[in-house]
Amino acid sequence: EIVLTQSPDTLSLSPGERATLSCRASQIISSTYLTWYQQKPGQAPRLLIYSASSRATGIPDRFSGSGSGTDFTLTISRLEPEDFAVYYCQQFGSSPGYTFGQGTKLEI
Amino acid sequence: QIQLVQSGAEVQKPGASVKVSCKASGYTLTDYDVSWVRQAPGQGLEWMGWLSAYKGNTYYVQQFQGRVTMTTDTSTNTAYMELRSLTSDDTAVYYCARFIQKWIASQRDYFYYMDVWGKGTAVTVSS
Repeated sequence: EIVLTQSPDTLSLSPGERATLSCRASQIISSTYLTWYQQKPGQAPRLLIYSASSRATGIPDRFSGSGSGTDFTLTISRLEPEDFAVYYCQQFGSSPGYTFGQGTKLEI
Repeated sequence: QIQLVQSGAEVQKPGASVKVSCKASGYTLTDYDVSWVRQAPGQGLEWMGWLSAYKGNTYYVQQFQGRVTMTTDTSTNTAYMELRSLTSDDTAVYYCARFIQKWIASQRDYFYYMDVWGKGTAVTVSS
């Protein structure tokens, strides 16, 4: 099973600042197999980034993804109030166990 | 509007079964795969498995093997997830999602994501 470790567990920032969230895989995965989601309290997850760096439809360009191998990053260039949420990465490198990271809580 | 509408909250006793439904609207269910993800209270997301709505093939995470069944009813455009032998550890919100697996010719590889999610079904297991 591929384990994804996200860091930090909690990130405290202010609107307008830049957020950098990390996702590390326990083994090398293709960058096309890495996806990021955002989840707000009481809501279903929302697709942000797929294939490590491709923004989903309707996602603002302040969200960007990068990385390869075992290290992947989600960057939010200028935080808006609505960006404070929990962020999860997910890998599709080992079927059928497409594991999620434990999540990073982005708080004000 | 493309959406997945899930069934309502359930309370079940330990040892019982639960069957959660997920009705697709705005698109034909069998044109895409369907995945199921759960989230225990205050915890992260847990992948359970997926099914090919077109072929009917299912792929379950090992920890759920033998206890879970994912199916579809094409006549009603609805997917189902049944979980048996419930324990308190199964208390969670269960999500269905449209699961995209697409071939990228330029990279000779696939990309994967879940782009449409149901709102979730809360399942509580309690005696």
